[in-house]
Amino acid sequence: DTGVSQDPRHKITKRGQNVTFRCDPISEHNRLYWYRQTLGQGPEFLTYFQNEAQLEKSRLLSDRFSAERPKGSFSTLEIQRTEQGDSAMYLCASSLGTGEFQAQYFGPGTRLTVL
Amino acid sequence: AQSVTQPDIHITVSEGASLELRCNYSYGATPYLFWYVQSPGQGLQLLLKYFSGDTLVQGIKGFEAEFKRSQSSFNLRKPSVHWSDAAEYFCAVGATGRRALTFGSGTRLQVQP
Repeated sequence: DTGVSQDPRHKITKRGQNVTFRCDPISEHNRLYWYRQTLGQGPEFLTYFQNEAQLEKSRLLSDRFSAERPKGSFSTLEIQRTEQGDSAMYLCASSLGTGEFQAQYFGPGTRLTVL
Repeated sequence: AQSVTQPDIHITVSEGASLELRCNYSYGATPYLFWYVQSPGQGLQLLLKYFSGDTLVQGIKGFEAEFKRSQSSFNLRKPSVHWSDAAEYFCAVGATGRRALTFGSGTRLQVQP
């Protein structure tokens, strides 16, 4: 069990560029989540996958954001036409289970800075 | 919709002193409750969770939390704080039928020598 990993850890981009982040969950965890955290705030939910199916999306996930989990393992989060307001820490979490709530285990995050 | 309030933005305690961080939630049914800790620039580490049963739950690093339904609270405690406990602490709630966690805005803990 190596924990949730995220890549890159830091990303600096110019406004209008596209960026893509990768998350590798704890092996065999079937649920994967993306959250966004801005300075001084708690994480806010963006989206959730069970295996490869995206089952829940927040209103925060505008049409510039897209997430995939093609084979039910790693996931990518893409932001198109980045804006300065997208600057935040993007956190990925995973959990194991098919029933009700399970504890979520977080990765170290990707810090995005949009200039 | 559920919500979480952490009334204390910043707390300073002396090393060796006891600690209590407050968390109040709003949710109509029995919630799933969590405490996470975040060191600067890092992700969140799960300290403990409450799903059901004994309302006093033990976690890692010597932390415990007590669920009080009548007060809609889930306060985090530690009898003796260590300098390494300085970090930001987040309370979170999960609701039946959803998978998302709702987080409070966090409490930053500073530990004085």
